[in-house]
Amino acid sequence: NAGVTQTPKFRVLKTGQSMTLLCAQDMNHEYMYWYRQDPGMGLRLIHYSVGEGTTAKGEVPDGYNVSRLKKQNFLLGLESAAPSQTSVYFCASSYSTGAAAQYFGPGTRLLVL
Amino acid sequence: KNQVEQSPQSLIILEGKNCTLQCNYTVSPFSNLRWYKQDTGRGPVSLTIMTFSENTKSNGRYTATLDADTKQSSLHITASQLSDSASYICVVSEGGTGFQKLVFGTGTRLLVSP
Repeated sequence: NAGVTQTPKFRVLKTGQSMTLLCAQDMNHEYMYWYRQDPGMGLRLIHYSVGEGTTAKGEVPDGYNVSRLKKQNFLLGLESAAPSQTSVYFCASSYSTGAAAQYFGPGTRLLVL
Repeated sequence: KNQVEQSPQSLIILEGKNCTLQCNYTVSPFSNLRWYKQDTGRGPVSLTIMTFSENTKSNGRYTATLDADTKQSSLHITASQLSDSASYICVVSEGGTGFQKLVFGTGTRLLVSP
């Protein structure tokens, strides 16, 4: 099992460009999440999904959109990238909430110039 | 505001030595507390998850403790190895009904020196 995979691993964008980050999990998890990690700050939740076809806003959703058309995939879109979106993005999945562990992907490092 | 604070920010220890990392939280209502290990350039990996009724939980050389009354947790690493060099993140899950949000600390960066 690959667990949680993310593509791409690294990307450089110019301000105003758009891109989509792809997350895939092979553990049949219902819940999926997108986080961003910035220096000196804890991980912050951008959007999450509690099942196929559902999405919800997290702590810092502005400037991002998501879609979960298939249970195993969770896409994060940036419609018009801004330098403030320079960050490392992590996708995670879990069987449920509560005391269920979240499994994280390897991350996507995004630089917006 | 729900917060998770960790200390120290960074720590250097000699290989083979023990160390203890601290976590204080103000998250309420409380559901559970997790410790994650994050190697440089990788995603966090779960070490332990403790609910309100659990005081201690071990995972190999890692032992986590929880004092829900004082809202403190610690992660003790025994007989450290070079591979323990990583950031250790304390995470508290908010309780209540519906979606349980995770509140992440900023981590303690541990360097194990030969």
